[in-house]
Amino acid sequence: GQQVMQIPQYQHVQEGEDFTTYCNSSTTLSNIQWYKQRPGGHPVFLIQLVKSGEVKKQKRLTFQFGEAKKNSSLHITATQTTDVGTYFCAGYPSGTYKYIFGTGTRLKVLA
Amino acid sequence: GAGVSQSPSNKVTEKGKDVELRCDPISGHTALYWYRQSLGQGLEFLIYFQGNSAPDKSGLPSDRFSAERTGGSVSTLTIQRTQQEDSAVYLCASSLDGGGISRQYFGPGTRLTVL
Repeated sequence: GQQVMQIPQYQHVQEGEDFTTYCNSSTTLSNIQWYKQRPGGHPVFLIQLVKSGEVKKQKRLTFQFGEAKKNSSLHITATQTTDVGTYFCAGYPSGTYKYIFGTGTRLKVLA
Repeated sequence: GAGVSQSPSNKVTEKGKDVELRCDPISGHTALYWYRQSLGQGLEFLIYFQGNSAPDKSGLPSDRFSAERTGGSVSTLTIQRTQQEDSAVYLCASSLDGGGISRQYFGPGTRLTVL
């Protein structure tokens, strides 16, 4: 079946260090979305990538969509304690009606 | 309201009982999704509605699960004869339209505990 895997599952960083999470799909995606879920909260939309090779930036966050539209990454520069949470990618496989969420990467930032 | 709302926020039930979870999407949003999230896990897709119809029910775990949407707005997820493995947070999300072209707005979820 269609799967979206994320690595790493957990990441602990010192405040100020960089962080990257990777998302890999078993099938080609029409687009991919990224969400952040704070502890005890619900997922909140961060960004959507549609085009092959697309790169988008939001302040300290950089998102990439692979050339084959099967993988994506989120990079955070100089992490802050407010970045704590679980980051999910959600892929939308071509020809389907559903998002398949990745397994998530839980980020902890140590002050 | 401005966002997606869900009720109840918490539900504790006994094994074998039926439960009904409600989702009020953002007004005007035609697409509605239900997900299930077990503790510390990712989101498991359950069902997608476009308007009142559900083109994809493939994620429903068993025939004990059903969902409907009326008037292109409110949706209910019903779990019959609940089992302990049904314990999870059930999240609803809506988006302006389907086809994977719009962001999803999530509700706060319903935490279901089956004793």
